[in-house]
Amino acid sequence: QQQVKQSPQSLIVQKGGISIINCAYENTAFDYFPWYQQFPGKGPALLIAIRPDVSEKKEGRFTISFNKSAKQFSLHIMDSQPGDSATYFCAANENWGKFQFGAGTQVVVTP
Amino acid sequence: GAGVSQSPRYKVAKRGQDVALRCDPISGHVSLFWYQQALGQGPEFLTYFQNEAQLDKSGLPSDRFFAERPEGSVSTLKIQRTQQEDSAVYLCASSLRQGAGNTIYFGEGSWLTVV
Repeated sequence: QQQVKQSPQSLIVQKGGISIINCAYENTAFDYFPWYQQFPGKGPALLIAIRPDVSEKKEGRFTISFNKSAKQFSLHIMDSQPGDSATYFCAANENWGKFQFGAGTQVVVTP
Repeated sequence: GAGVSQSPRYKVAKRGQDVALRCDPISGHVSLFWYQQALGQGPEFLTYFQNEAQLDKSGLPSDRFFAERPEGSVSTLKIQRTQQEDSAVYLCASSLRQGAGNTIYFGEGSWLTVV
């Protein structure tokens, strides 16, 4: 049973466009929500993270929006670049760094 | 080393064979995690160590899976009598301290194929 549901499974965006990935969860005990970026053949790398007492966090072109009441959070990639083409995973912390991951979104940025 | 190092990077095992996967965490990192990632899926938690203590092994799929970190640094994930469903990437991760707010760094994974 997947505790974190992620959508879409894949998306294609033009260079300069906005990529939006959504995640939903049920467990209200989750207390930390990171996003990871993974390139083929590599391990996931932390991109940006948020705690549930904050509604939005921005780092460069990456923004997390968090809706605690709806139990949803999303990643926005502004001004998408070809180098952003990767698989993105949302995650939620269950306990001391034990994460429940979403199934992933494959993002392709076309030139 | 600069990052989490895993070996072997690729392993092909015959069904029924035992395998051992090694993880060298970042020096000084207290917390160590093992995750399993099936093709096209997100990582799934296997087990967690704080120093040499295995605090959570709830994700290990069967008693064929065993992990250890005897001196609180290098860890080994052992899979006995491998089955085809064990084919996956096994990711090791470490963080400086316990707690989700501490950045968790993943290795590149050990790709296991059971034939």
